[in-house]
Amino acid sequence: GESVGLHLPTLSVQEGDNSIINCAYSNSASDYFIWYKQESGKGPQFIIDIRSNMDKRQGQRVTVLLNKTVKHLSLQIAATQPGDSAVYFCAENTGGFKTIFGAGTRLFVKA
Amino acid sequence: KAGVTQTPRYLIKTRGQQVTLSCSPISGHRSVSWYQQTPGQGLQFLFEYFSETQRNKGNFPGRFSGRQFSNSRSEMNVSTLELGDSALYLCASSLTGGAYEQYFGPGTRLTVT
Repeated sequence: GESVGLHLPTLSVQEGDNSIINCAYSNSASDYFIWYKQESGKGPQFIIDIRSNMDKRQGQRVTVLLNKTVKHLSLQIAATQPGDSAVYFCAENTGGFKTIFGAGTRLFVKA
Repeated sequence: KAGVTQTPRYLIKTRGQQVTLSCSPISGHRSVSWYQQTPGQGLQFLFEYFSETQRNKGNFPGRFSGRQFSNSRSEMNVSTLELGDSALYLCASSLTGGAYEQYFGPGTRLTVT
């Protein structure tokens, strides 16, 4: 397969704090990146995306940063809430209609 | 607008059997992608279909196959099931394909015993 990583990193934050989830992507030619949130028993849900000609994009309480030099993507969640607890995946569009997902990060929000 | 639906939601099969999973995309979406999700390997791309044509395929053995119908509904088939095929199989639909604005279904949980 072509997924990155075997172990699921975990991030634990206090409710109300900001969360930063990081991702290293694999293909320097990838032109589009997405963050997904997956809750238990559900499929991944789109959070925010960014194209390779941008380095920052903001949504509601979320910001994605892209550093193409080091092939790094991050997701910032402001004022983290218990409902944000989930597994977060980054994904890249490598061209040829193929999407490659990162290993995922489990976010725990402590009330 | 109805989301992506997958049937069945849960399935138990024995080694050597074959299985067919179904995915109905969002109305108007012509691209369907399939993924396998396991704890050890994460989310892995299986294949993508657009207007009944497979446009890309991941690194899976030939036992994994798929097809898409004229109404954009898609099926994937796994023949000669192995224990390692136990996974959550997800499909995602989009208007144009690739990673662009993909919407995922809830998945089919396949257990091979």
